[in-house]
Amino acid sequence: KNEVEQSPQNLTAQEGEFITINCSYSVGISALHWLQQHPGGGIVSLFMLSSGKKKHGRLIATINIQEKHSSLHITASHPRDSAVYICAVRSVSGGGADGLTFGKGTHLIIQP
Amino acid sequence: ETGVTQTPRHLVMGMTNKKSLKCEQHLGHNAMYWYKQSAKKPLELMFVYSLEERVENNSVPSRFSPECPNSSHLFLHLHTLQPEDSALYLCASSSDRGHSYNEQFFGPGTRLTVL
Repeated sequence: KNEVEQSPQNLTAQEGEFITINCSYSVGISALHWLQQHPGGGIVSLFMLSSGKKKHGRLIATINIQEKHSSLHITASHPRDSAVYICAVRSVSGGGADGLTFGKGTHLIIQP
Repeated sequence: ETGVTQTPRHLVMGMTNKKSLKCEQHLGHNAMYWYKQSAKKPLELMFVYSLEERVENNSVPSRFSPECPNSSHLFLHLHTLQPEDSALYLCASSSDRGHSYNEQFFGPGTRLTVL
């Protein structure tokens, strides 16, 4: 069974700070997602990656397949970044549609 | 209308009621998913449909019954639920072909309360 661990569970920071959220998983994967969930429940996919690094605006996601670890970074954080950030992985399988296994999420609050 | 939509957004039902949740995707995807998010717990996969066939049923109680009549629509039929089934139910879709996997797009969710 693939376990997905995120840290920290809760993070409060000041506007402008550099934020790092970590995700570790226990088995081989074919893809890792970083998701953002705002109050009310809607989920937005931020990144899907299987190797290396991706950048979108102030968000950067990295993954180390050998170490089974991924990080999500937010540069120049802003109060609107306040949300729950969820790591989710898709295990290596025979192919086709597969559901995701999720971490518990990191509740981020950015104070002005 | 674009993306993944879900109706209703909020639902309150008694334990003896029968209701259905609806999901519709306008992205041309061929795979659809139901997830459950209970308070203080991670999201959990419930069902996966690929090309309108159920390919995964993650040990979900029979009081939850999915239906996928076509690649754009997914339903979750609910009957004789328990209060502990109160949760946010999220639908997602993706385009999957053989060993090719693309990201999943999520709907806004249905907040279900069982009295």
